[in-house]
Amino acid sequence: DQQVKQNSPSLSVQEGRISILNCDYTNSMFDYFLWYKKYPAEGPTFLISISSIKDKNEDGRFTVFLNKSAKHLSLHIVPSQPGDSAVYFCAASVSGGSNYKLTFGKGTLLTVNP
Amino acid sequence: NAGVTQTPKFQVLKTGQSMTLQCAQDMNHEYMSWYRQDPGMGLRLIHYSVGAGITDQGEVPNGYNVSRSTTEDFPLRLLSAAPSQTSVYFCASRRDRRILGANVLTFGAGSRLTVL
Repeated sequence: DQQVKQNSPSLSVQEGRISILNCDYTNSMFDYFLWYKKYPAEGPTFLISISSIKDKNEDGRFTVFLNKSAKHLSLHIVPSQPGDSAVYFCAASVSGGSNYKLTFGKGTLLTVNP
Repeated sequence: NAGVTQTPKFQVLKTGQSMTLQCAQDMNHEYMSWYRQDPGMGLRLIHYSVGAGITDQGEVPNGYNVSRSTTEDFPLRLLSAAPSQTSVYFCASRRDRRILGANVLTFGAGSRLTVL
């Protein structure tokens, strides 16, 4: 049973436009969410996170929105740049859990066209 | 500061062979873990450790062994490699096992394993 779902395997946008990457989760115990970015032949790198006590967190061009009632979060990138082209993974965790594990989605490949 | 270092970067094995993927971190992180990434499957947790001498299983532990004799090192052992273990393996660490929000995972560059 997939607890973190990224239903769009890929997304293509034009440089300068907004990129919106979506993530749904099924486990209502999840209370901390993260986005990681991964370039080919490299390990994932942390991008931005959000706690369930917030509904929005912003860091420069990146904003994550959390809708707890819908069990949905999204990552907005504005404006998109060609260097943002990468695979983006959504991840979730239960903060007080005994194993402190991150559960990842399958990832969305973002391509930003010049 | 090297972060998380994985070796080897590439490895080809024959079915039934054994090998060890090495992972070392120089950040004095308590928490270390191994993930595998397969096409269309995302990142799946194999094993993790919350400190030296303590290890536990993740989602997909079968066919893998781990040990944590020091804070710095967390090797992943394949005892008898199978084609289903063809994957890219990532080691990741975090400073404090108890505070997920304050300390995000730092990943290594990955080890690509092919089992023929």
